[in-house]
Amino acid sequence: GAGVSQSPSNKVTEKGKDVELRCDPISGHTALYWYRQSLGQGLEFLIYFQGNSAPDKSGLPSDRFSAERTGGSVSTLTIQRTQQEDSAVYLCASSTGTAHGYTFGSGTRLTVV
Amino acid sequence: AQSVTQLDSQVPVFEEAPVELRCNYSSSVSVYLFWYVQYPNQGLQLLLKYLSGSTLVKGINGFEAEFNKSQTSFHLRKPSVHISDTAEYFCAVSESVDMRFGAGTRLTVKP
Repeated sequence: GAGVSQSPSNKVTEKGKDVELRCDPISGHTALYWYRQSLGQGLEFLIYFQGNSAPDKSGLPSDRFSAERTGGSVSTLTIQRTQQEDSAVYLCASSTGTAHGYTFGSGTRLTVV
Repeated sequence: AQSVTQLDSQVPVFEEAPVELRCNYSSSVSVYLFWYVQYPNQGLQLLLKYLSGSTLVKGINGFEAEFNKSQTSFHLRKPSVHISDTAEYFCAVSESVDMRFGAGTRLTVKP
């Protein structure tokens, strides 16, 4: 596609429920990244994919967070048993290589009530 | 490990005044450096990047940044700001395959 697409744009969920956030990167971008942006905070690195592999999962905040990427394209970030502290904007970016910079999606605003 | 410190969380400035947004990084190896801008209710856009070569890099919207290896800095500057430059600015560093961001600087341009 023309840009990085994220869905849903907004998600309100009850504490304890599971949520899935989707990212559709730019076609041909082999690298895909997930970040979390909390109010007044910078971007917290969560995980990145090179193809379908995730070499670095160290940024995932807890074992309630998981992510996968299939077909070298769409990625899903899953948060199980959501907590209020999970409320944030989740940003996805894709790239052909770091030197080219990242193209970011508009994010998913997650609110846990 | 790579990390970024943005020294000012908020920078208020009057229209047509110059501005500098400060960024320092920490890394033990050669790095790529970036500035991104986030306008209200929008995603992040790449302003400019330093990969190698000339230490002064020019970006979009009249912004420029200077890489200073000895100071481990990559400050962003604009000689004359506009109201439309009001946004959040993020400095980022990459050693290899991923990128780490600073906490951001909110630039507010007043008329």
